[in-house]
Amino acid sequence: GENVEQHPSTLSVQEGDSAVIKCTYSDSASNYFPWYKQELGKRPQLIIDIRSNVGEKKDQRIAVTLNKTAKHFSLHITETQPEDSAVYFCAAQNNNDMRFGAGTRLTVKP
Amino acid sequence: DVKVTQSSRYLVKRTGEKVFLECVQDMDHENMFWYRQDPGLGLRLIYFSYDVKMKEKGDIPEGYSVSREKKERFSLILESASTNQTSMYLCASTTGSGNTIYFGEGSWLTVV
Repeated sequence: GENVEQHPSTLSVQEGDSAVIKCTYSDSASNYFPWYKQELGKRPQLIIDIRSNVGEKKDQRIAVTLNKTAKHFSLHITETQPEDSAVYFCAAQNNNDMRFGAGTRLTVKP
Repeated sequence: DVKVTQSSRYLVKRTGEKVFLECVQDMDHENMFWYRQDPGLGLRLIYFSYDVKMKEKGDIPEGYSVSREKKERFSLILESASTNQTSMYLCASTTGSGNTIYFGEGSWLTVV
């Protein structure tokens, strides 16, 4: 089955700096790559996603890039704010099978 | 608004007990999932189901079983709970491949 690796496991940045989280996947047939944000004590919520026919997608301060050849995708958050502090999960989906990375705990220091 | 409801938020069970975790979604989603979330290990897939009475093993199915008798309901069963099954369990659903997956609030299970 699919294997998703995510790095780093923890990330601390100053408010206003950028944050980058990287994921790799193993199954070249995976075609959908969502990112989820989970605040403390709450359920994961979708923040952005990208499909395999697109290389980059942006939504305000958040962007995701996908390199299908290398089988990796990244989340970029610019101008970070304290409310961006959370655990972020990447995922890769092939057909009905969705697998997640281990998560990145992002801390944005004011 | 999609709703995925896990009826039990916090449970404490004894070793060897049978445990049922129920999940219901109200959006007629075909696919439903059970994940287990542990610190540093992320979300690990236990089982998923893509149709009524259909199920597929995920990465860590040992010690668990599932039931999907109706489209809206996906149950996770621990036949004989053990302390290493103490964890937070997340149910999720989606309409199909490439669509947003929606999570329940989570069920915190402690096995003593």
